[in-house]
Amino acid sequence: DIQMTQSPSSLAASVGDRVTITCRASRNINNYLNWYQQKAGKAPKLLIYAASSLQTGVPLRFSGDGSGTDFTLTISGLQPEDFATYYCQQGYNNLRFGQGTKLEIK
Amino acid sequence: QITLKESGPTLVKPTQTLTLTCTFSGFSLSTSGVGVAWIRQPPGKAPEWLALIYWDDATRYNPSLKNRISITKGTSKDHLVLTLTNTDPEDTATYFCAHAEVRGPIDSFDMWGQGTVVTVSS
Repeated sequence: DIQMTQSPSSLAASVGDRVTITCRASRNINNYLNWYQQKAGKAPKLLIYAASSLQTGVPLRFSGDGSGTDFTLTISGLQPEDFATYYCQQGYNNLRFGQGTKLEIK
Repeated sequence: QITLKESGPTLVKPTQTLTLTCTFSGFSLSTSGVGVAWIRQPPGKAPEWLALIYWDDATRYNPSLKNRISITKGTSKDHLVLTLTNTDPEDTATYFCAHAEVRGPIDSFDMWGQGTVVTVSS
């Protein structure tokens, strides 16, 4: 069973900062990795699919990278609406989500 | 415009069967490359994918729940049903249905319903 580990579990940053969240798979999942953003009381929103493809309508400040076991989500120039929880999700077999990274205002 | 909405009981007793309905619009589950998934999220925890049904009636299930869970298309073309048997308090969660886009070998959930809260308690 492939495990997904996100780091950090929480992160404090300021508006305008560049932040990177990491997701590591316990074994090779090629590029079968999605990223979601979730705000309190709302459903998750798809940001990135297939590791690096930007979902339609998502701002260009969001980007994804990686392949194999190590993946990153980068937000360049944080905006107030970006403070939320972020999840990776592997699409290789059991579609498991990572445990999440909570991005908070510093 | 794609929309999805979950419906079903808010309270279920342990060992009972939970049946949830997802009613959707703006797409057809007969279109190649389309699926609908169920995902749940216990309070304060990460989402957990449960099941997925594709345009060709193929299904996928989370192995940890495979013996208890079933996803089926409804009698009309705009809804489907999730059944979870032998419920336990650990099944307490917000249950979401989501539109799945199959892009190559990867499934991603690009539109979600608002979710429905289910509590399993005696």
